[in-house]
Amino acid sequence: DAGVIQSPRHEVTEMGQEVTLRCKPISGHDYLFWYRQTMMRGLELLIYFNNNVPIDDSGMPEDRFSAKMPNASFSTLKIQPSEPRDSAVYFCASSDAPGTDSNEKLFFGSGTQLSVL
Amino acid sequence: AQSVTQLDSQVPVFEEAPVELRCNYSSSVSVYLFWYVQYPNQGLQLLLKYLSGSTLVKGINGFEAEFNKSQTSFHLRKPSVHISDTAEYFCAVGVVGNKLVFGAGTILRVKS
Repeated sequence: DAGVIQSPRHEVTEMGQEVTLRCKPISGHDYLFWYRQTMMRGLELLIYFNNNVPIDDSGMPEDRFSAKMPNASFSTLKIQPSEPRDSAVYFCASSDAPGTDSNEKLFFGSGTQLSVL
Repeated sequence: AQSVTQLDSQVPVFEEAPVELRCNYSSSVSVYLFWYVQYPNQGLQLLLKYLSGSTLVKGINGFEAEFNKSQTSFHLRKPSVHISDTAEYFCAVGVVGNKLVFGAGTILRVKS
């Protein structure tokens, strides 16, 4: 398996523009997570899905952030409009653990480095 | 709620020296504990995890960690580091049915 695939690897955009980050989880994994990593706050969970349904989005910082999972093999994280303080590395992760043990093993993508100028 | 504190933001160490990366957590319920590593320009990889049983957990690349419930710690150790161990290390805590909470990370810099 190719692992969790994120695109793009790098994104540079201007303030006010819409940004869409993409993620393809490992085939067969039921859980998908979006994380944001910054120097100030470390790694933060933004939202996670189970069977394509959003379960916990309490980490989404503002209404400018939205995430979707239209099917089991694809998810997007959208920021509209983007702001300089959104600059960070955004990680997607997936897990196949059943039931409530989804924390046991996460597989992470390589991340998207977002720079908002 | 759970929280994680990684006590050192950066740890410089010479090659072949031992290293300990410290992690303390707080939780009112039983937890699972993890260490993840992020090499430059890569995503996170699981180093090791504690779910139950033996408090000394061995992971990949010669790392090990010891769960100490009384001190609420889960420090990561390696007896002899290599240049290739230079990376950022994240401690994380989770409970059944909940998400992981990560520490802020510790950058390990191995010098020759």
